[in-house]
Amino acid sequence: DARVTQTPRDKVTEMGQEVTMRCQPILGHNTVFWYRQTMMQGLELLAYFRNRAPLDDSGMPKDRFSAEMPDATLATLKIQPSEPRDSAVYFCASGSRQSLAGDLYNEQFFGPGTRLTVL
Amino acid sequence: GQNIDQPTEMTATEGAIVQINCTYQTSGFNGLFWYQQHAGEAPTFLSYNVLDGLEEKGRFSSFLSRSKGYSYLLLKELQMKDSASYLCAVRAYTGTASKLTFGTGTRLQVTL
Repeated sequence: DARVTQTPRDKVTEMGQEVTMRCQPILGHNTVFWYRQTMMQGLELLAYFRNRAPLDDSGMPKDRFSAEMPDATLATLKIQPSEPRDSAVYFCASGSRQSLAGDLYNEQFFGPGTRLTVL
Repeated sequence: GQNIDQPTEMTATEGAIVQINCTYQTSGFNGLFWYQQHAGEAPTFLSYNVLDGLEEKGRFSSFLSRSKGYSYLLLKELQMKDSASYLCAVRAYTGTASKLTFGTGTRLQVTL
């Protein structure tokens, strides 16, 4: 069945190292989201794309984070350099447009997440 | 900015009914979502409300009052597998795009 996939599932790295997380959205979904989840902050939207174009990345620290969609089957989130405070679970989600009462919304399907630990 | 409040934890008995409340303050409100997240897993979509009233989907129902900035998720005939965190998320239009903001979640424990 169709699922969002993410790699790696777990990543342990040292402060200052570059981290790249990858996401393959569900085929046919044209909206992709990156979230970060921590115990303290909960689930935070970092960035999202529609038709591969970035629509909103205001939740992302621009100095060290970057998000791209090189093609429709791949989204990447990169942290360079990584810091211990970046330790979190990073979720990718892809969206399928649905309609309710004449309103369009994205039903988001989340990937399994990448658990990042920066030492 | 947005402010979303939901209780941190709730406990209920198997077979019972539980109501999880969510209050929010936002500008540009454009819909409210409920997600379920089991420990160590990804969130899964439960419901979406954009108009006032009740949306029912099997054992789960979600209610919205836009004038009061209030929603609830109602779970009936509770099962042990319903033990999870329930996330309220508000969509708001920022002027350029719609953005989803999540509450910190309500951890529900279902007991025998």
